[in-house]
This record gives sequence, structure tokens and C-alpha cells, in this order.
Amino acid sequence: GNSVTQMEGPVTLSEEAFLTINCTYTATGYPSLFWYVQYPGEGLQLLLKATKADDKGSNKGFEATYRKETTSFHLEKGSVQVSDSAVYFCALKLTGGGNKLTFGTGTQLKVEL
Amino acid sequence: DAGVIQSPRHEVTEMGQEVTLRCKPISGHDYLFWYRQTMMRGLELLIYFNNNVPIDDSGMPEDRFSAKMPNASFSTLKIQPSEPRDSAVYFCASSLWELAGGREQYFGPGTRLTVT
Repeated sequence: GNSVTQMEGPVTLSEEAFLTINCTYTATGYPSLFWYVQYPGEGLQLLLKATKADDKGSNKGFEATYRKETTSFHLEKGSVQVSDSAVYFCALKLTGGGNKLTFGTGTQLKVEL
Repeated sequence: DAGVIQSPRHEVTEMGQEVTLRCKPISGHDYLFWYRQTMMRGLELLIYFNNNVPIDDSGMPEDRFSAKMPNASFSTLKIQPSEPRDSAVYFCASSLWELAGGREQYFGPGTRLTVT
């Protein structure tokens, strides 16, 4: 079946540190890949996406590259801020899959001064 | 656009009572999703609709849960009778269909349900 595996959290970093949150997937066909972010007390919101192999999604300093050969979509940011503290979800959607998203378990990020 | 609207934002009820959660999707969106989020189980898809028709309800935990979408601008998730283990944050999301698969889902702010 289709699944998404994320690194366990929480991840605690100092401000201005480099961030990597690993995400790998298993899917039949060619999925679109997403990163969603959930700030405390809020719903999920799209952070970035990539719809085909080698595409790079980017937003707010975050980047992720769709790697078909390693079935990965790792999230990176060069310098995190306290305001980036949130839970990050990796997700996939299959073409023709009825718009249904398969989410990973989420990774909590805490950024400290 | 007001985004996805959910009500109430918080609900506290006693075990055995009926609970109804409400959702108004973004105008023009033809998919609507109901999710449940808990610390133990993470984010779970309960049911989703396409053009007001339920497509997949395999995530609905049991017969105590039911969902309806009487029109394109309104959906409800009902729990009857409620139990303490139903305590969670319930999210509604909506999206547009797209063959290529790149369309995002837009989430509402959630309803925090506490069953005592």
C-alpha cells in the first residue's frame, strides 16, 4: 500500500541552525509530494509541494526535492527561526487517487534562542 | 476568501451525549475531507466526499460516527453516543479535483472535542 515515513520527533534546534526532516515514501504509480505545517492551535497549511521527479518545492526558506531514485522528499532549511516551531507533515497523493492524501506521522520542531 | 470554516471551535460534552461538528468548505471546492487528530494515533482520515457523495468512509471508527453532506457548502460529522476516547481535534479540509494530483487540501482550524 501507499505510506509515508517521517523521522521521529521532537527535533530541537538552536536558532539559525540547519534543519533536515527526513521523509521517505512507498507508492504505486507516481505521486505528488507535499509538506504541510501545523502551528500550535491551528489547522494544517501547505508549506511546499512537488508533482514530479527532480522537482524542487520551496517556500519561506524551506526546500524539498522529489527524489524518485531514493523515494524521498526531505525538508531542509538553512537557518531556522523560533517562529518555525511547529509540527511538519510529509504527505503524498496519487494521480487519480481521488485527491486523498496519505500523511506521515508528523515531526515536531522546537527552535530555541 | 474566508477559507474552510468549522464550528464549534471547542466542544465539551458528557459521555453518552450526541455531538455534531459542522464544516463549510471553500466555495467551488468539490472534495471535502474529515480528519481526526490525537497524540496517540496522529492524523487519521475518517471520510471524504466528492460532489457531496461519500467516496471512502473506511476510516470511520464505528457506527457511532456518521457524516453527511447535504449540499456543496455544508457538511456535518455526528457522534452518537459520544465516549471519552472520541476526545480529539477534528479537522475538515476541502480541495479542487485535478488529474495531475498537485492540488492541495485546505484545512479548517479544527474543532477540539472533549468528552468527559
